Amino acid sequence: SAVISQKPSRDICQRGTSLTIQCQVDSQVTMMFWYRQQPGQSLTLIATANQGSEATYESGFVIDKFPISRPNLTFSTLTVSNMSPEDSSIYLCSGTGAGGTWAEQFFGPGTRLTVL
Amino acid sequence: QKEVEQNSGPLSVPEGAIASLNCTYSDRVSQSFFWYRQYSGKSPELIMSIYSNGDKEDGRFTAQLNKASQYVSLLIRDSQPSDSATYLCAVMADAGNNRKLIWGLGTSLAVNP
Repeated sequence: SAVISQKPSRDICQRGTSLTIQCQVDSQVTMMFWYRQQPGQSLTLIATANQGSEATYESGFVIDKFPISRPNLTFSTLTVSNMSPEDSSIYLCSGTGAGGTWAEQFFGPGTRLTVL
Repeated sequence: QKEVEQNSGPLSVPEGAIASLNCTYSDRVSQSFFWYRQYSGKSPELIMSIYSNGDKEDGRFTAQLNKASQYVSLLIRDSQPSDSATYLCAVMADAGNNRKLIWGLGTSLAVNP
């Protein structure tokens, strides 16, 4: 499967600021997703990143708070805007492959965000 | 509301035993089923996928799917301490353009030496 990298791996931010997380895949993927995972919890899908069009957000997540870009088939960004301590979490990027593995999602290493 | 349910555990087994992890799902039209392993502080790693009824074996891992009972399980044979992790069950309901996964809360497995 393809390899996903994320930058930054971790960050500590002040309340009211914004952070952009980058997700880079080493080969083209059909779909990309952004998740949030609180410590000890399961994964919560934020949105599906669509190539060349607006992302599809899940209930409870809005574009103004979590703008997402996906300019091509190997790269996406997630911005966490106007952060508050409640945004402290691990943010994960995932992608799905092509061909026989089209349904399988594989994950980047995650970005650990702490908001003070 | 589509749901995936797992026992949270912790499930504790001795080294060398068989660990059995279970998962039920609510959406009868679900098509694809996945087991992920997540070590503490790491991202989820896909260990098994299964798409049709029956068993699928890969090394020490066997996934079992019963669509009539809406039940999928993961067996780990000859459990090792390195298998200690949280195991997440995920289900894909729509095989079309929407490939979202519905996630269980995970089962924590501890393999004791």
